[in-house]
Amino acid sequence: GNSVTQMEGPVTLSEEAFLTINCTYTATGYPSLFWYVQYPGEGLQLLLKATKADDKGSNKGFEATYRKETTSFHLEKGSVQVSDSAVYFCALGDSSYKLIFGSGTRLLVRP
Amino acid sequence: EAQVTQNPRYLITVTGKKLTVTCSQNMNHEYMSWYRQDPGLGLRQIYYSMNVEVTDKGDVPEGYKVSRKEKRNFPLILESPSPNQTSLYFCASRETGANYGYTFGSGTRLTVV
Repeated sequence: GNSVTQMEGPVTLSEEAFLTINCTYTATGYPSLFWYVQYPGEGLQLLLKATKADDKGSNKGFEATYRKETTSFHLEKGSVQVSDSAVYFCALGDSSYKLIFGSGTRLLVRP
Repeated sequence: EAQVTQNPRYLITVTGKKLTVTCSQNMNHEYMSWYRQDPGLGLRQIYYSMNVEVTDKGDVPEGYKVSRKEKRNFPLILESPSPNQTSLYFCASRETGANYGYTFGSGTRLTVV
């Protein structure tokens, strides 16, 4: 069945460091891919998405490219801020409208 | 403001005491879903609904019930809660079509003692 695998956290970085959070997926067909962010005590917010191969999603300085050949959707940001500290979830949307989530990666950015 | 509203935000209850978590959306979305979030497991789907009076099981439906009598509301019912249902619950709704515009509620933290 469809599944999503994320790198385990926590990921601890200094402010202005480069961020990569790895995400790979297994799916039949042509799923859509998403990154969601969860700030402490809050619900999930859509960060970015890509609906087909080679699409690049971007938002708030974050980017991810839908790579069908490597079944990956890695999240990147060139310079993280303390306010980026949160839990990041990679997710796959299949044809049934269901979202399948990875286990989440906690990011901690230190000043 | 477009939103999904869940209530309550926090709930502590005892084993076996029936409870309902409410969920309401104001975006006229047809699709609604409940997820539970547990450490190390991410979010897992409990139930979903494609439209009024149409509901189906997700990956972890045991011990839960739902109903969809109106388009905007999708309550989650625990008829006899047990400690293994202690979790963080999220309701979500989405648009139809390929945009997959999921909107999540703020969550309900449930503790069953």
